[in-house]
Amino acid sequence: GDSVTQMEGPVTLSEEAFLTINCTYTATGYPSLFWYVQYPGEGLQLLLKATKADDKGSNKGFEATYRKETTSFHLEKGSVQVSDSAVYFCALPTNQAGTALIFGKGTTLSVSS
Amino acid sequence: ETGVTQSPTHLIKTRGQQVTLRCSSQSGHNTVSWYQQALGQGPQFIFQYYREEENGRGNFPPRFSGLQFPNYSSELNVNALELDDSALYLCASSPRGTAPGIDTFGSGTRLTVV
Repeated sequence: GDSVTQMEGPVTLSEEAFLTINCTYTATGYPSLFWYVQYPGEGLQLLLKATKADDKGSNKGFEATYRKETTSFHLEKGSVQVSDSAVYFCALPTNQAGTALIFGKGTTLSVSS
Repeated sequence: ETGVTQSPTHLIKTRGQQVTLRCSSQSGHNTVSWYQQALGQGPQFIFQYYREEENGRGNFPPRFSGLQFPNYSSELNVNALELDDSALYLCASSPRGTAPGIDTFGSGTRLTVV
């Protein structure tokens, strides 16, 4: 079945460092792909998405490109801030119900000043 | 516009008991989904409700059941609680017929089973 695999965390960076969080997927066809962020004590928030191959999703300085050749959707940011400390989830739609999603296990990012 | 609100925020139950978690969907959203997020894991889809009927289900046993009310609010019920049911339970709402990624998530209910 469809699945998402994320790099293991935690990822610990200094402020202004470059961030990459790897995500690969297994799916039938070419589903939309998503990155969600979960700040401490809060629910999930959509960070960015891409709906077709070669699309680049971007938001708040984060970017991810939909690569069908490598079945990947890696999240990147050129210069992280302390406020980016959170858990990041890669996701794709499930065929079990309309808007339901399959999430990866999450990658914890910790940024220090 | 209000977001998704869940109650309670935390609760502790004993193994074998039953629990009911509640969710008020965002204004204008008529579809509600529930997820279970175990510690250190990503959310797993439990089921989705639309027009008071189950509209899809993940790989969860029948002791996980739900309800949706005419005002689109929803309940998640878990019977015969097991220790492994300890998790953060997330509710998400969306307008019907929208593409994935539109859901608004609540902050969750932290359930601890002892």
